Amino acid sequence: LAKTTQPISMDSYEGQEVNITCSHNNIATNDYITWYQQFPSQGPRFIIQGYKTKVTNEVASLFIPADRKSSTLSLPRVSLSDTAVYYCLPTDSSNTGKLIFGQGTTLQVKP
Amino acid sequence: DSGVTQTPKHLITATGQRVTLRCSPRSGDLSVYWYQQSLDQGLQFLIQYYNGEERAKGNILERFSAQQFPDLHSELNLSSLELGDSALYFCASSLSGVSEGYTFGSGTRLTVV
Repeated sequence: LAKTTQPISMDSYEGQEVNITCSHNNIATNDYITWYQQFPSQGPRFIIQGYKTKVTNEVASLFIPADRKSSTLSLPRVSLSDTAVYYCLPTDSSNTGKLIFGQGTTLQVKP
Repeated sequence: DSGVTQTPKHLITATGQRVTLRCSPRSGDLSVYWYQQSLDQGLQFLIQYYNGEERAKGNILERFSAQQFPDLHSELNLSSLELGDSALYFCASSLSGVSEGYTFGSGTRLTVV
């Protein structure tokens, strides 16, 4: 699976839009990009997944350029409750299915 | 409630002992995954079962074993426990593969003293 690089930490203020970028230079042709959110002492929670271009759901947007070597998770108008660790994972579309988590990005939202 | 149930929520035991962690996957999900999360190692994939059969193995120690039963619940057995085994153990489930995302349970916090 492709190695990913994300910022270790980011700070933001309530109401701002936050963009977290993940680099995955060696992503495989059949890999999706999936983002998970984890609060302290809780299991990770699926946020969004995409293959290319743009995907949007009620929580976030995911932008993946044509070369697929990076992706950007966009969180609109963050609140204090968005303080968490965010993981970017290339995910194999085959049924081997295991997810390999990197270090993630710790987002701290301040009032 | 994510639909994935893990028991117990907390477990304190002594070194050298054996414990069993239990996971009931979300209704209809066939795959179960076990992860270990400690402060210095992050989230480590241990093992995956699909419909009762082992599908993938990660950084699982020989002292650890797992199985998935016909009713699809899974158990993770940890034996000869060491202080370093203290961690959060998460179970996740999915219908088949990764395309629809995993659903994680709330974890079992194991403390070895």
